[in-house]
Amino acid sequence: DTEVTQTPKHLVMGMTNKKSLKCEQHMGHRAMYWYKQKAKKPPELMFVYSYEKLSINESVPSRFSPECPNSSLLNLHLHALQPEDSALYLCASSQTTGGGSPLHFGNGTRLTVT
Amino acid sequence: AQKITQTQPGMFVQEKEAVTLDCTYDTSDQSYGLFWYKQPSSGEMIFLIYQGSYDEQNATEGRYSLNFQKARKSANLVISASQLGDSAMYFCAMREAYNTDKLIFGTGTRLQVFP
Repeated sequence: DTEVTQTPKHLVMGMTNKKSLKCEQHMGHRAMYWYKQKAKKPPELMFVYSYEKLSINESVPSRFSPECPNSSLLNLHLHALQPEDSALYLCASSQTTGGGSPLHFGNGTRLTVT
Repeated sequence: AQKITQTQPGMFVQEKEAVTLDCTYDTSDQSYGLFWYKQPSSGEMIFLIYQGSYDEQNATEGRYSLNFQKARKSANLVISASQLGDSAMYFCAMREAYNTDKLIFGTGTRLQVFP
C-alpha cells in the first residue's frame, strides 16, 4: 500500500466545473509535489512545496491552483480546464528536496475533461 | 537538450533471466543523484534504487542494481532473475545539486517479461 494517498482515483469534469484533487501523507515529509503525466509519457513536474511554501511553479496555467494547508496535505484546485488537461495527476512527497531523498508517489488521479 | 536519455522504448526478457535498462544523463554539476522508478499499468510510481554521484560503489537493492559509469554519464538498471511482475514502465530520473527541488524523468522503457 502506498503511503501517499490521493483522492479521488478518477474524476470526470466539464470545462466549466471547479474541482479539487487531494493528496495526503503521514511520513513527516517536508516536500510535496504535483506531477502531470500524459499517456505513454514521463511525468512532468508542475509544482513543488518545500516546508509548506511554493518553491517551484513550472509555468503552469492559472487554471491549476495548488494549495498546501499543512505539511501533510496538498491540494490541486481545478477550474475551467481544457480537454488537453486530461491526464494522470500524481502527487509525491519526500523527506526534503535535496540529496538522495527519493520521491514517494501516490496512485494518482485519472482526470478526464469533457 | 535532453537531460535524461533512455534509448530503449521497449525491452523483452524471459522469466528468470537478467535484463539491463539503459540510461544516460547530461549535467555539468559535480553533485547529483540518479533514481530509477517502476510504473505498473496501475499508474503508481514505485521507487527502486538511488545512486549519488559521489557514491563509490554501485547501488544495489535486492534484485535491482545500478551500473554507474560516471565518466560515461550512464546509470543502467540491472534486474536479475526477472519475474512476470516486473513487467512495467521503468523511468530513470535525475536531481541536480543546483536545483534540488526538481526531479527530471527520462522517457521510459517498457519492459515485458514472458514465461
